[in-house]
Amino acid sequence: DAGVTQSPTHLIKTRGQQVTLRCSPKSGHDTVSWYQQALGQGPQFIFQYYEEEERQRGNFPDRFSGHQFPNYSSELNVNALLLGDSALYLCASSSGFGRAFFGQGTRLTVV
Amino acid sequence: GESVGLHLPTLSVQEGDNSIINCAYSNSASDYFIWYKQESGKGPQFIIDIRSNMDKRQGQRVTVLLNKTVKHLSLQIAATQPGDSAVYFCAENINSGGSNYKLTFGKGTLLTVNP
Repeated sequence: DAGVTQSPTHLIKTRGQQVTLRCSPKSGHDTVSWYQQALGQGPQFIFQYYEEEERQRGNFPDRFSGHQFPNYSSELNVNALLLGDSALYLCASSSGFGRAFFGQGTRLTVV
Repeated sequence: GESVGLHLPTLSVQEGDNSIINCAYSNSASDYFIWYKQESGKGPQFIIDIRSNMDKRQGQRVTVLLNKTVKHLSLQIAATQPGDSAVYFCAENINSGGSNYKLTFGKGTLLTVNP
């Protein structure tokens, strides 16, 4: 049983560009949450998707958007990249009140 | 600011000793708490969780204690091993009425186990 998988593992983008990160949840999970983890910090909640809709959102600008597909996989999109968007982006999946499982993350570097 | 904080940013112990990692939270509405372990270059790995209606929960070599009176959470690791070296995060959830979680993480504690 594959756990949470994210792609790509590493990515380098230029300021102003747009990026799309992908996440496949653990089998049986229907909810996907995205977190941003800056170096030396704890993960910060970006938003959560359930039934293809954004259900909760953290304190992130509209440049951060997402999508969930019928197969529960999800994408995180970031527009107009800033240097400060450089971070490890983590996807977590869960179902109901079950525990959340994290993927290995995508390391985004903005230059 | 963050509602979950840690008392110590680093902790160094000898192999075989017990480790205690502490965490303070400020939101009395938090109903669920989780400890995660994160190794370098990897995503957070679930260790143990506890709900607010409990004050202690034990797993394999780990115990979580919850003191709601002082809003304090601790993770105890028995017989610490070199493989336990990692950053440990506590996270809290406030049940907004729906299912699933919007976790708030602290900055983490770096645990180093010396052989």
